Amino acid sequence: EIVLTQSPDFQSVTPKERVTITCRASQSIGRSLHWYQQRPDQSPKLLIKYASQSISGVPSRFSGSGSGTDFTLTINSLEAEDAATYYCHQSSSLPLSFGGGTKVEIK
Amino acid sequence: QVQLVESGGGVVQPGGSLRISCAASGFTFINSGMHWVRQAPGKGLEWVAFIWYDGSNKYYVDSVRGRFTISRDNSKNTLYLQMNSLRAEDTGVYYCAKDPCSSNRCYFDYWGQGTLVTVSS
Repeated sequence: EIVLTQSPDFQSVTPKERVTITCRASQSIGRSLHWYQQRPDQSPKLLIKYASQSISGVPSRFSGSGSGTDFTLTINSLEAEDAATYYCHQSSSLPLSFGGGTKVEIK
Repeated sequence: QVQLVESGGGVVQPGGSLRISCAASGFTFINSGMHWVRQAPGKGLEWVAFIWYDGSNKYYVDSVRGRFTISRDNSKNTLYLQMNSLRAEDTGVYYCAKDPCSSNRCYFDYWGQGTLVTVSS
């Protein structure tokens, strides 16, 4: 079973700052790593697929990088609407798994 | 546009059963694998089950295998999760999620709004 460890668990950030969230896999997963945003009381929404591929309709301030075991989600110039919990997810092997989440709060 | 609408959640006693549904529209249902993902109150996301586009293969997380059954009716564009022998730890919001791939597990490109299942006496 592949365990995904996200850090930090929580981040309080001022608008226009850059946010970096990391996700580490317990074994190599290639680029089968995806990122989701879950705003309070909403369903998750796909942000990035296959580590770095952008998704239509997602603002360009969201980007991803990494491969193997170490991955990063970057939010450039944070906006108020980005207050949410962010999850990484691996589809390399069953059981599918998620990181524990990173809650981003706007100061 | 893609819509996934879950229904059937509710309160059930430990050891009881419940079937939840997900009505899909806005895309060709038979072309997509489908998943159930759950979220316990105040907790993170947990993948529960996956079914191929044609229903021929099904996969489960260990904690529900043998108790839960995922199925689909492609003529009705509907996904189901039959949950038996429910436990308190099964409590949470259950989301159906669409996979852009038909049989390989890719990612979750659309999610429903979720249905709350509460297991309590």
